[in-house]
Amino acid sequence: GDSVTQMEGPVTLSEEAFLTINCTYTATGYPSLFWYVQYPGEGLQLLLKATKADDKGSNKGFEATYRKETTSFHLEKGSVQVSDSAVYFCALTLSNTGKLIFGQGTTLQVKP
Amino acid sequence: DAGVTQSPTHLIKTRGQHVTLRCSPISGHKSVSWYQQVLGQGPQFIFQYYEKEERGRGNFPDRFSARQFPNYSSELNVNALLLGDSALYLCASSLGDRGLADTQYFGPGTRLTVL
Repeated sequence: GDSVTQMEGPVTLSEEAFLTINCTYTATGYPSLFWYVQYPGEGLQLLLKATKADDKGSNKGFEATYRKETTSFHLEKGSVQVSDSAVYFCALTLSNTGKLIFGQGTTLQVKP
Repeated sequence: DAGVTQSPTHLIKTRGQHVTLRCSPISGHKSVSWYQQVLGQGPQFIFQYYEKEERGRGNFPDRFSARQFPNYSSELNVNALLLGDSALYLCASSLGDRGLADTQYFGPGTRLTVL
């Protein structure tokens, strides 16, 4: 079935380090892809999205490119801040039902 | 503009009881979806409603039901609560008519604890 796999966490980085969180997907069609972020005690916030192959989504210094050939949507940021500490979820949607399929989440901890 | 709102914020129930969770979408959004997020996992899709009709259902038992009202707000009902129903319940709203480009915006969630 359709699914999303994220790299295991937690990921611990020092401030200003480069971030990569891997995300790969399995889908029967051509999904739209999303990254959501969840700060402690809060709901999910949309971080970025891409709706077709080779699209690059970007927001707040984060970016991810929709790679159909590798079925991947890796999240990157050039220089992380302590305030980026959160849980990051990769997700896909395939249908008009709006059903989002999420990965298990990756916890990012940034230390000063 | 106000975002998605949910009530209550927290709820404690005992096994066998019934619970109703409420959600108000972003103004102009006609679709509401419900998700269950168990601690340490990604959210799992429960329902989607669009224009008051059910448009999608996840793999949840019939104890879970929902409805959408003419003002596009929504309720999620869970009967005969089990310990395993303890989770964060998230509501998301979207325009509902953008196909795969439709983007869902989430509320803060309702934390349900079943004792």
